[in-house]
Amino acid sequence: EVQLVESGGGLVQPGRSLRLSCVASGFIFDDYALHWVRQAPGKGLEWVSGITWNSGNIYYADSVRGRFTISRDNAKNSLYLQMNGLRTEDTALYYCARGRNNDFWTGQDYWGQGILVTVSS
Amino acid sequence: EIVLTQSPGTLSLSPGERATLSCRASQSVDSTYLAWYQQKPGQAPRLLIYGASSRATGIPDRFSGSGSGPDFTLTISRLQPEDFAVYFCQQYGSSPQTFGQGTKVEIK
Repeated sequence: EVQLVESGGGLVQPGRSLRLSCVASGFIFDDYALHWVRQAPGKGLEWVSGITWNSGNIYYADSVRGRFTISRDNAKNSLYLQMNGLRTEDTALYYCARGRNNDFWTGQDYWGQGILVTVSS
Repeated sequence: EIVLTQSPGTLSLSPGERATLSCRASQSVDSTYLAWYQQKPGQAPRLLIYGASSRATGIPDRFSGSGSGPDFTLTISRLQPEDFAVYFCQQYGSSPQTFGQGTKVEIK
């Protein structure tokens, strides 16, 4: 069974940093691209960042470029999102999601349950 | 950035009825790179359709997708009680990947 479990969220003050983690199981981790997608309370979905299977290509939404860094450790079946310079508008439920295959340009077929990040003073 | 506009915002229908949801892109999107998701309250999104018309694993055949850039459609042939939810379209052919704002299908 494919599982994606996020951790590392919480309440943080504006300007501070937070690191999200996502541990995967039930599939061959380094066969797939991975993504972070967020959802502000009561709002729609916003793609945040994605990374290819070998970390060779990385992409970001304009809203987070220069502040967030995505990375993965295939040996640990783990995906990360380092978030620096957090803003109140970054408050959201952050989902870890798997691409459908090793091609980056696919939809996301498995999602974690999400981890809440609240940015507030 | 490609903007996806979904209509209507809310669709009020009865079980057994047909639902037709629209997604229009601000620029042409290759149908290979268009997906639809279902999201229920308190749950993560669920992939329904990819490549505009291919059903994801385990998705019932009452869900179907069609269209070509810039206009795409998700059809639910006969609404079941479990289909009342919010539906999002997504383009993943260019970065940043983008989602529509969602269509809520509610019980009339």
